[in-house]
Amino acid sequence: SQKIEQNSEALNIQEGKTATLTCNYTNYSPAYLQWYRQDPGRGPVFLLLIRENEKEKRKERLKVTFDTTLKQSLFHITASQPADSATYLCALDMGYSSASKIIFGSGTRLSIRP
Amino acid sequence: NAGVTQTPKFQVLKTGQSMTLQCAQDMNHNSMYWYRQDPGMGLRLIYYSASEGTTDKGEVPNGYNVSRLNKREFSLRLESAAPSQTSVYFCASRGDRTYEQYFGPGTRLTVT
Repeated sequence: SQKIEQNSEALNIQEGKTATLTCNYTNYSPAYLQWYRQDPGRGPVFLLLIRENEKEKRKERLKVTFDTTLKQSLFHITASQPADSATYLCALDMGYSSASKIIFGSGTRLSIRP
Repeated sequence: NAGVTQTPKFQVLKTGQSMTLQCAQDMNHNSMYWYRQDPGMGLRLIYYSASEGTTDKGEVPNGYNVSRLNKREFSLRLESAAPSQTSVYFCASRGDRTYEQYFGPGTRLTVT
């Protein structure tokens, strides 16, 4: 079965630096890969989606890369701020329609210290 | 526009009791999902529904049943609750064109 690993359970970095989170998967490549943010006590919130034929996607201070050869996605937050502190989840979309199954990683808890 | 709503927010059950978790979305999405989230394990898919009248098993369906009542509502039922079902349950719906998921606020369930 498909497995997803997010590099570390927790990441602690200095404000202003770039945070880089890793998502690795096994077996076959997904059609889409998504990243979500989750704050304590709340449901996840969608951030970015990248397709299997895309190498990179950007949105404001966020950047996602997708390497199907390495079976890896990297999620970057540039000029990080304490407000970026949250848990970030990577999700693999196994199909090619909105009706497909989605599998989540266990998340990386990011803390940005002032 | 409330997005995805879930009831109840909190529930405590005794082992063997049954209950239904309710979920509704007002975005006219076809696909809806139920997940459970346990510490250190991320979100695990219990069941999903690609459209009204269809449901499919996810990674951890045992001990649960679902009903897609109509396009808006997707309920999750625990027929005989067990302590292993203590968890936070999230419902989500999915955009038909954008593919992103929208999550509800969650139901925190404790089974004693």
